[in-house]
Amino acid sequence: GAGVSQSPRYKVAKRGQDVALRCDPISGHVSLFWYQQALGQGPEFLTYFQNEAQLDKSGLPSDRFFAERPEGSVSTLKIQRTQQEDSAVYLCASSLTNSRSDTQYFGPGTRLTVL
Amino acid sequence: AQTVTQSQPEMSVQEAETVTLSCTYDTSESDYYLFWYKQPPSRQMILVIRQEAYKQQNATENRFSVNFQKAAKSFSLKISDSQLGDAAMYFCAYRSAEVKIIFGKGTRLHILP
Repeated sequence: GAGVSQSPRYKVAKRGQDVALRCDPISGHVSLFWYQQALGQGPEFLTYFQNEAQLDKSGLPSDRFFAERPEGSVSTLKIQRTQQEDSAVYLCASSLTNSRSDTQYFGPGTRLTVL
Repeated sequence: AQTVTQSQPEMSVQEAETVTLSCTYDTSESDYYLFWYKQPPSRQMILVIRQEAYKQQNATENRFSVNFQKAAKSFSLKISDSQLGDAAMYFCAYRSAEVKIIFGKGTRLHILP
């Protein structure tokens, strides 16, 4: 079956613009995660959904970052008034259940460049 | 707070040789999971191997094996018979009671033909 997909793969934004990044998890997967990966670094956790409920948003760096998953499947990460420090690869991952023993399957990421 | 440290930013190995990537972590918990992920230039993060902390036996997946030293909080990855397709960034990662994964900064592995 299809894996986790993300769109767009690349996004260039001018500073101050709003952007929306989309994640399509594996069908039927309950849990969905967003991570931010700065250049040369490991991914860092942003937020976690169990179905449509956002259970952990402790990693969101500021109130300019907002994520939603209204129907418990597709998720959107929105960044308002983008700044240069938001430039990074944004990775989405999903897992079948909410068990911590489940494997997280990652998408290819969206590379965001803020000019 | 839990942390994961990879002290080798880059490593190189000759094709068909064996290489070991190091990882240490810090936690006060006793029940957790450890992972090695591979990230090729395509950016797709791929799970290589996982280890449950309660298991004493080291995990093995084909050419990949780990040396898990719980008391020392060490979790190294050994790649045997290295192949050109093994070239990638390798991330050591940790997961405890929370579902989020904590990653190290990565080790870039070069395979020399």
